[in-house]
Amino acid sequence: DIQLTQSPSSLSASVGDRVTITCRSSHVINNYIAWFQQKPGKAPKSLIYAVSSLQSGVPSRFSGSGSVTDFTLTISSLQPEDFATYYCQHYDRYPITFGQGTRLEMK
Amino acid sequence: EVQLVESGGVLVQPGGSLRLSCVASAFTFSTHWMSWVRQAPGKGLEWVANIKQDGSERHYVDSVKGRFTISRDNAENSLYLQMNSLRGEDTAVYYCATMVEDRTGHLSFDYWGQGTLVTVSS
Repeated sequence: DIQLTQSPSSLSASVGDRVTITCRSSHVINNYIAWFQQKPGKAPKSLIYAVSSLQSGVPSRFSGSGSVTDFTLTISSLQPEDFATYYCQHYDRYPITFGQGTRLEMK
Repeated sequence: EVQLVESGGVLVQPGGSLRLSCVASAFTFSTHWMSWVRQAPGKGLEWVANIKQDGSERHYVDSVKGRFTISRDNAENSLYLQMNSLRGEDTAVYYCATMVEDRTGHLSFDYWGQGTLVTVSS
């Protein structure tokens, strides 16, 4: 199975900061990486698919990049509503797996 | 607006059975792969199963193979998860989600329901 390791596991930042979350895969992935945002008690929300394609309605301050085994989610200027937990996920092959999550907290 | 509404989550004893449902609206259900994803309390997300548009193809995570069955009724815009031989480690919020298939056949998650809580405990 493909293991996805996110770093950091938690992160404190302020409104307006630029934030980067990394997702490292145990195997080479053919760019089938997605990112999700989840707020406490709520369902996940799809942000990005295919490494860098934004889902409809997702603000442009979110971006994704990477290749092979290393991928990143960047938020260019944090907004108050962005404080949440973020997950990466691969869909290159079965089983589909998720990273362990990165909790983004307000400093 | 796409809506996915899950139901059926309850407290059940170890070894018991349960059937979850997910009713979809505001999109063409029969043209989408569908999936179940779960989240144990305080833990991360775990993909459970998915099913092709016509039900002809299904995939499961190893930990539920032989115990869980995913199915769908396109006439009723409904997705199901039959859960048998339940264990404590199956305790989780179960989400249904739509999937989008790209030109290479790879599937990405799109819309998610609000989830239903399954608790397995004596």
